Amino acid sequence: GDSVTQMEGPVTLSEEAFLTINCTYTATGYPSLFWYVQYPGEGLQLLLKATKADDKGSNKGFEATYRKETTSFHLEKGSVQVSDSAVYFCALSPPNTGGFKTIFGAGTRLFVKA
Amino acid sequence: NAGVTQTPKFQVLKTGQSMTLQCAQDMNHEYMSWYRQDPGMGLRLIHYSVGAGITDQGEVPNGYNVSRSTTEDFPLRLLSAAPSQTSVYFCASSYRVDAGYEQYFGPGTRLTVT
Repeated sequence: GDSVTQMEGPVTLSEEAFLTINCTYTATGYPSLFWYVQYPGEGLQLLLKATKADDKGSNKGFEATYRKETTSFHLEKGSVQVSDSAVYFCALSPPNTGGFKTIFGAGTRLFVKA
Repeated sequence: NAGVTQTPKFQVLKTGQSMTLQCAQDMNHEYMSWYRQDPGMGLRLIHYSVGAGITDQGEVPNGYNVSRSTTEDFPLRLLSAAPSQTSVYFCASSYRVDAGYEQYFGPGTRLTVT
């Protein structure tokens, strides 16, 4: 079945460091891919998305590219801030469900130190 | 707009008790979903609805009931609480954007069953 695998955390970085959180997926067809962020005590918020191969989603300095050949959607940011500390979820929407049903990875917790 | 609201924020139940988690959205979205979040497991879909009067089961529906009498409201009922239902519950509403769907999450309900 469809699934999402993302790197285990926690990831601890110093402010201004480069961030990569790996995400790979298994799905038939061409799913839509998402990154959601969850700040402490809050629900998930959509960070960025990509709906077809080679699309790059970007928002708030974060970006991720839909790689069909490697079934990956890695999240990157060039210079992290303390305010980026949160849990990040990679997710996919299978095409045969109309897209709104979403399968989530386990989440990766990011700590950024000042 | 208030977005997606959930009540209560916290709840403690004894085994065998029943209760209803409330969810409401004011964005006129067609789709609504309930997820549970457990450590290391990401979010798992419990039930979902594609419109008023239409509901269906997700990945982990046992022990839960839903109904959708209006576009705005999507309550989740625990029939006879069990310790295995200790979790954080998120309600989400969704709408179609381009080739995918964006989900908007509520702040969550933290439930403990003793």
